Amino acid sequence: AQKVTQAQTEISVVEKEDVTLDCVYETRDTTYYLFWYKQPPSGELVFLIRRNSFDEQNEISGRYSWNFQKSTSSFNFTITASQVVDSAVYFCALNIMDSSYKLIFGSGTRLLVRP
Amino acid sequence: GAVVSQHPSRVICKSGTSVKIECRSLDFQATTMFWYRQFPKQSLMLMATSNEGSKATYEQGVEKDKFLINHASLTLSTLTVTSAHPEDSSFYICSAPRTGQGPDTQYFGPGTRLTVL
Repeated sequence: AQKVTQAQTEISVVEKEDVTLDCVYETRDTTYYLFWYKQPPSGELVFLIRRNSFDEQNEISGRYSWNFQKSTSSFNFTITASQVVDSAVYFCALNIMDSSYKLIFGSGTRLLVRP
Repeated sequence: GAVVSQHPSRVICKSGTSVKIECRSLDFQATTMFWYRQFPKQSLMLMATSNEGSKATYEQGVEKDKFLINHASLTLSTLTVTSAHPEDSSFYICSAPRTGQGPDTQYFGPGTRLTVL
């Protein structure tokens, strides 16, 4: 069975602090995709990153960075120098690369960045 | 710009009425679309997979007679909540995978907020 766990329900930080959102996944499949999405108060999901299981390179995009570690089945997301606009719910998701394209979402982490 | 649209964005209806939500892929064809439901402060739960030209596939626990799905064309899927009740109030989101261009990516619609009085 596939499962995504985001143990942090809510995180509150002060602007300019760095923050890491944790994501742990479970799957018996050897090929899969991992995703991060941002859901601002408007509700629309914003795609942030997709990583396939063969690519363990960490990625940096501006203030965002992702650490993928297959050994611990984790795909953590770090925001550096957080800003108020980063306040949102962040979801980690898993797709097992079968023909169904189904996404399995974690429960989400609500991030509040205070001025 | 948006590649998947949903209509309406917000709907309020009386208990017992039916509500139809449309999901359109704007610049690509989608033989498959997905419908999710999200309750306040909760995650997205997959309700069903909409298949063009065939019946939808429902997830366990989702009533197919209550949530009617029709994939009328390669760019349109509709979700009809029949005989809606207050417990059906939720945020409904559709998505469509865009295939054939390298790693598949799902595009999400902006969501439809349903309130049943």
